[in-house]
Amino acid sequence: SQKIEQNSEALNIQEGKTATLTCNYTNYSPAYLQWYRQDPGRGPVFLLLIRENEKEKRKERLKVTFDTTLKQSLFHITASQPADSATYLCALGNYGQNFVFGPGTRLSVLP
Amino acid sequence: NAGVMQNPRHLVRRRGQEARLRCSPMKGHSHVYWYRQLPEEGLKFMVYLQKENIIDESGMPKERFSAEFPKEGPSILRIQQVVRGDSAAYFCASSPGPLTGVNTEAFFGQGTRLTVV
Repeated sequence: SQKIEQNSEALNIQEGKTATLTCNYTNYSPAYLQWYRQDPGRGPVFLLLIRENEKEKRKERLKVTFDTTLKQSLFHITASQPADSATYLCALGNYGQNFVFGPGTRLSVLP
Repeated sequence: NAGVMQNPRHLVRRRGQEARLRCSPMKGHSHVYWYRQLPEEGLKFMVYLQKENIIDESGMPKERFSAEFPKEGPSILRIQQVVRGDSAAYFCASSPGPLTGVNTEAFFGQGTRLTVV
């Protein structure tokens, strides 16, 4: 059965550094991969989507890569700020179908 | 344009009662997805609906759970004869159409926190 893993439950980094989060998957060939941010007690908020034929996508301080050979996506937050502290979720899907989430990584950016 | 509205935000039910969770998608959105999140766990897909149709219910338990998205009104997730294990946060999301290369984003509501006592 399909499996999605995110590198660690929790990641602590110093303000100003680059945070790198990993999403790995097995037994799945997604057409796209999404990244969401979730704050405690709130619903997930969409950040970025990258398609299987795209290697990299950027949005402001965010950068996502997608390697379908390695079955991995990397999510980078550059010049991190304490306000970036949240849980980050990757989600995979195929067009016209539902999408499934990884367990999430809780990021803490320390001032 | 209001976001995805879920109500109630908090729901307490005794074991054996029924729980009804409502989700009003964003205006113009005809696709709704329901997810369940247990404390400290990720979001688990339950059901994907389009107006008056269930597209995929592979994540929904066969017994006690049902979902609908009528032509008029909100989508409803219904849990009959609730048990303690049903206690969780239930989130719905909506999109204007199926997620494709053009429609790339699903918008989530704030969730309904169900507590079964």
